[in-house]
Amino acid sequence: GQNIDQPTEMTATEGAIVQINCTYQTSGFNGLFWYQQHAGEAPTFLSYNVLDGLEEKGRFSSFLSRSKGYSYLLLKELQMKDSASYLCAVRNGNYQLIWGAGTKLIIKP
Amino acid sequence: GAVVSQHPSRVICKSGTSVKIECRSLDFQATTMFWYRQFPKKSLMLMATSNEGSKATYEQGVEKDKFLINHASLTLSTLTVTSAHPEDSSFYICSARDVGGRGNQPQHFGDGTRLSIL
Repeated sequence: GQNIDQPTEMTATEGAIVQINCTYQTSGFNGLFWYQQHAGEAPTFLSYNVLDGLEEKGRFSSFLSRSKGYSYLLLKELQMKDSASYLCAVRNGNYQLIWGAGTKLIIKP
Repeated sequence: GAVVSQHPSRVICKSGTSVKIECRSLDFQATTMFWYRQFPKKSLMLMATSNEGSKATYEQGVEKDKFLINHASLTLSTLTVTSAHPEDSSFYICSARDVGGRGNQPQHFGDGTRLSIL
């Protein structure tokens, strides 16, 4: 089967750094996406990785290792507004998007 | 950037009512749109893939006669929840991908429709 695993919940402190991990097993691979979803709102696109390595975009970075079936989202200089769920999604060989259950990130002052 | 508009944002209605939700891609063409359902504190659940000019592809366990999908144009897909009951109350979200772009185009989401059946 196909599955995406990520932690259910994480807690971090304002101003700190947090890394959210995602491991996947899919039938083929055509890219990995990270989305942010605030409570009661639709997801918004954060990042895309298709090649191994690190993609940096401001305070957010995303890393991919295809051989390990592994990605992480790194959030720096955490702000209270970063409290949200972070969804990892993989586009498989059929271009279907397989979703993780999401990681709820709680930021404390 | 690509924008997906979803309407209405919130619906409250009586049991037995049919509710139509619209999903529009505003500045790109979307031959394929996706309909998701999300219960509180749960992840997105793909209900169906809407294909322009053809029948939708439903995920296992989703009743196609209950959730009618029409994708009549390259910019509009509709989801109709027929004879809605309280257990259909949920957050429904549509998304679309700009197939005219490069392969790294993400799915863009509408703002979602919160459906409450009394």
